[in-house]
Amino acid sequence: AQKITQTQPGMFVQEKEAVTLDCTYDTSDQSYGLFWYKQPSSGEMIFLIYQGSYDEQNATEGRYSLNFQKARKSANLVISASQLGDSAMYFCAMRERGDDMRFGAGTRLTVKP
Amino acid sequence: DGGITQSPKYLFRKEGQNVTLSCEQNLNHDAMYWYRQDPGQGLRLIYYSQIVNDFQKGDIAEGYSVSREKKESFPLTVTSAQKNPTAFYLCASSILLAGQETQYFGPGTRLLVL
Repeated sequence: AQKITQTQPGMFVQEKEAVTLDCTYDTSDQSYGLFWYKQPSSGEMIFLIYQGSYDEQNATEGRYSLNFQKARKSANLVISASQLGDSAMYFCAMRERGDDMRFGAGTRLTVKP
Repeated sequence: DGGITQSPKYLFRKEGQNVTLSCEQNLNHDAMYWYRQDPGQGLRLIYYSQIVNDFQKGDIAEGYSVSREKKESFPLTVTSAQKNPTAFYLCASSILLAGQETQYFGPGTRLLVL
């Protein structure tokens, strides 16, 4: 069964607007971590933001925030004030206790000028 | 500068040939990982190593081998037994961040079969 689901293969957003990239996950563990990575066309995976399952506050990191809804098992990434350089693939990932990191299939974000 | 380096950026393999992808890190991270990424897909774990001289198979280890003789280095060999090796290979190392292991990635190696 898929542990991480990203339902949006592609998303478009106008420059300077906000965009939400969806991520839902499947786990029966109480302790787990959720991650978002950005992959530009160069291929490197860039760590963006992390949310722990016990964290009560949503994680924020500059223009990135993670909308964590534990009961719904969702961990959506919100990018505010989009920039052209935000165009990339975005991957959601989860790590359960004692398990490997599991990645979703990714969402390709295109920022339009 | 601290970071993770992978070489080469592009690698070509002939049928029946073994090739080795390099991964080096100077971040003093204990754990290192190898992932495979196929077009339009997420990452799949090939092998990982938590400490020197120890490594574990991931989800798709068949046709691959690794070694971890030094903390800084985790080379991946794609053997002739790997029938479909064309893919993008990413190496990562990890550190505990806020109580959770967070992985940082190298720039990747693209392997093509001639």
